[in-house]
Amino acid sequence: EVQLVESGGGLVQPGGSLRLSCAVSGFTFSDYAMSWVRQAPGRGLEWVSGISASGSDTPYADSVKGRFTISRDNSKNTLSLQMNSLRVDDTAVYYCARKSAGPRPFDYWGQGTLVTVSS
Amino acid sequence: EIVMTQSPATLSVSPGERATLSCRASQSVSNNLAWYQQKPGQAPRLLIYDASTRATGIPARFSGSGSGTEFTLTISSLQSEDFAVYFCQQYNKWPPGTFGQGTKVEIK
Repeated sequence: EVQLVESGGGLVQPGGSLRLSCAVSGFTFSDYAMSWVRQAPGRGLEWVSGISASGSDTPYADSVKGRFTISRDNSKNTLSLQMNSLRVDDTAVYYCARKSAGPRPFDYWGQGTLVTVSS
Repeated sequence: EIVMTQSPATLSVSPGERATLSCRASQSVSNNLAWYQQKPGQAPRLLIYDASTRATGIPARFSGSGSGTEFTLTISSLQSEDFAVYFCQQYNKWPPGTFGQGTKVEIK
């Protein structure tokens, strides 16, 4: 059974940092690209960042470029998102999601972890 | 960036009735279009990909159609568990795979 489990969310002050993790199981992690997608309270879905299966390609949304860093450890089946210089408008549920290579949809999602940026 | 526009924002439907949801892309995305269902407090679930292919385990009452810039998700006979928010997403131009703003299907 494919499983994606996020962790690391919480309350942080503006300007602070947080590191999210996504532990995966039930599939060969190193065969798939992964992404982080966020959803602000009561809002729609926004793609944040992605990483290729090998980790060599790491695109970012303009809204987080230079502040967030995505990474993966294929030996530990773990995806990470380091978030620095957090802003109030980064408040959202953050989902990790799996995607095959090429133009494909997100076929599996984690349950999400809530990040709240507030003073 | 490709903009995805969904209509209507809210659709009120009685159980057993048909629901038709629309999604329009600002430029052609070929058939690289997915539909997701999201229930309160849950992650999105993939329903349809490649515009018309049902994902694993998705009931036959869900169907997708369209190509280019105009797409439709049809739920042939709404069940109680189908009341949710539905998002479309294009993945023809990556990154980003842009999402529509969602259509809420509520009980009439």
